[in-house]
Amino acid sequence: DQQVKQNSPSLSVQEGRISILNCDYTNSMFDYFLWYKKYPAEGPTFLISISSIKDKNEDGRFTVFLNKSAKHLSLHIVPSQPGDSAVYFCAASRGTGANSKLTFGKGITLSVRP
Amino acid sequence: SAVISQKPSRDICQRGTSLTIQCQVDSQVTMMFWYRQQPGQSLTLIATANQGSEATYESGFVIDKFPISRPNLTFSTLTVSNMSPEDSSIYLCSVGLAGGPEEQFFGPGTRLTVL
Repeated sequence: DQQVKQNSPSLSVQEGRISILNCDYTNSMFDYFLWYKKYPAEGPTFLISISSIKDKNEDGRFTVFLNKSAKHLSLHIVPSQPGDSAVYFCAASRGTGANSKLTFGKGITLSVRP
Repeated sequence: SAVISQKPSRDICQRGTSLTIQCQVDSQVTMMFWYRQQPGQSLTLIATANQGSEATYESGFVIDKFPISRPNLTFSTLTVSNMSPEDSSIYLCSVGLAGGPEEQFFGPGTRLTVL
């Protein structure tokens, strides 16, 4: 049973436009959500996070929105750049301690066309 | 932050054999994690390996199949034992720093193919 779902395997966007990556979760005990970015032959790197007490967190071109009632979050990238082309993983945890276990989705491959 | 290296970066193995993957960190860390990513699937936590204690395995993973060593604060190994084609995956180690889940840093992964 997959608790974190990224139902779209890929997304292609024109440079300069908005990229919207979606993620759904089923476990209501999750209270912290993260997005990771992964380039080929590299490990995932942390991008942005949001606590369940918030509905929005912004960091430069990246904004994450959380809709708790719908158990849905999305990552917006504006404007999209070719260097954003990567696999994006949504992850969730219970708690924010350093030993909190992360549950990942399958990832979305974003391609930004020049 | 932490810089993590893994060896080997990739390997092709015959079924029935075992492979040991090494994970080296450039600083001392208490918490290390081992993940698996099967083709088309999500990253799945195999076990948590804290120095000075036995590894804690997640549901569906057992020590006989995935023995883990954690001899010191900068190094860990994961062995994939008696391999079958279903073990073909990318195996990643990560370390957790004190700041929280966003302070989890990943190694580049080991791509394993079992024939």
